[in-house]
Amino acid sequence: DAGVTQSPTHLIKTRGQQVTLRCSPKSGHDTVSWYQQALGQGPQFIFQYYEEEERQRGNFPDRFSGHQFPNYSSELNVNALLLGDSALYLCASSFGYGEAFFGQGTRLTVV
Amino acid sequence: AQTVTQSQPEMSVQEAETVTLSCTYDTSESDYYLFWYKQPPSRQMILVIRQEAYKQQNATENRFSVNFQKAAKSFSLKISDSQLGDAAMYFCAYRIYTGTASKLTFGTGTRLQVTL
Repeated sequence: DAGVTQSPTHLIKTRGQQVTLRCSPKSGHDTVSWYQQALGQGPQFIFQYYEEEERQRGNFPDRFSGHQFPNYSSELNVNALLLGDSALYLCASSFGYGEAFFGQGTRLTVV
Repeated sequence: AQTVTQSQPEMSVQEAETVTLSCTYDTSESDYYLFWYKQPPSRQMILVIRQEAYKQQNATENRFSVNFQKAAKSFSLKISDSQLGDAAMYFCAYRIYTGTASKLTFGTGTRLQVTL
């Protein structure tokens, strides 16, 4: 079992650019959540996807969007990148409301 | 506002000794779960222990145990017989259900150092 896998592991982007981060959930999981972890902070909930629909959204602007595919994998898109978007982005998967398993994250640096 | 407070940014413990990490939370929900996660330098969040809010008995997982005080909204983690591999960031979190989704709310973390 590969667990939750995220790609890429590291990414450097320029302000104003757009970025797409990817997540493959643990086998058997149907729900994917995304979190942003700024340096020295705890993760902050961005949104959660189930059955290809956004179930709930945290306090993030519309520049943050997502998608879930029929195979339950998910993408996080961020448009018009700001310096403040630099963070570790964590994906967590679960089966319904069950225990969340986390990936190793994507470290995004905006310069 | 629903929050999690970890008042100890850093803690240090000697190998084989016991350490307690503090956490308080604030939620208006009556049904929730509480968690302690460990985040080593590999960055992956690893579940250490979980507590259902409706259970009065404190959860225990091997060397890890919690002291759950629901009325005080306190959820501390005790690590016994500390090992070098316990060194990491520790995050306290709770999970609530909104009817359509569940999300985790995390504290700011406590960095645990384990010394010889």
